Amino acid sequence: QVQLVQSGAEVKKPGASVKVSCKVSGYTLTELSMHWVRQAPGKGLEWMGGFDPEDGETIYAQKFQGRVTMTEDTSTDTAYMELSSLRSEDTAVYYCATLSLIAVAGPSWGQGTLVTVSS
Amino acid sequence: EIVMTQSPATLSVSPGERATLSCRASQSVSSNLAWYQQKPGQAPRLLIYGASTRATGIPARFSGSGSGTEFTLTISSLQSEDFAVYYCQQYNNWRTWTFGQGTKVEIK
Repeated sequence: QVQLVQSGAEVKKPGASVKVSCKVSGYTLTELSMHWVRQAPGKGLEWMGGFDPEDGETIYAQKFQGRVTMTEDTSTDTAYMELSSLRSEDTAVYYCATLSLIAVAGPSWGQGTLVTVSS
Repeated sequence: EIVMTQSPATLSVSPGERATLSCRASQSVSSNLAWYQQKPGQAPRLLIYGASTRATGIPARFSGSGSGTEFTLTISSLQSEDFAVYYCQQYNNWRTWTFGQGTKVEIK
């Protein structure tokens, strides 16, 4: 069973960047399709982007294109999501979530990372 | 983009009663549909995947059905710990996931 452990809470100023990590265990990153989802306070779940294994590329939601970069370090089985040009509306809990490429199973989620953007 | 629409927005139910939540997709997602439960301050908890398969450790009172564009989550006899917000999610397309807006199940 896959387990995802995310980095700790962050406080950033408007205009700054944040990089959230997601450490995978139980599987290797190459056996998973990694995605990122966020949830603003009191709001629903919003998909930010993820890895398309059919094309071998990372797809970003149009809303975040140009501001978000998702990367993976397969040597440590750690995924990263970096969001730049932060504004107050980016205050949210950010989740990594995965789908297995080798087994029939539902999505697995990290515990979430709170990012607060405040001057 | 596939739009997921959940109904109702809020469901008032008495403990012990049955709750039926609906999720509609704007186009077919086959059976690539998940249901989550979320309580305040917690990450979403996977209940159902593949439209009808219970995730590990999920009680049998939770069941999912449907395929294509129409899906249902049924909680057969609501327990106090089941009052929460429930989301559906389609993962039919690797290139995008989408979520419903959520259904809040509250105590009547």
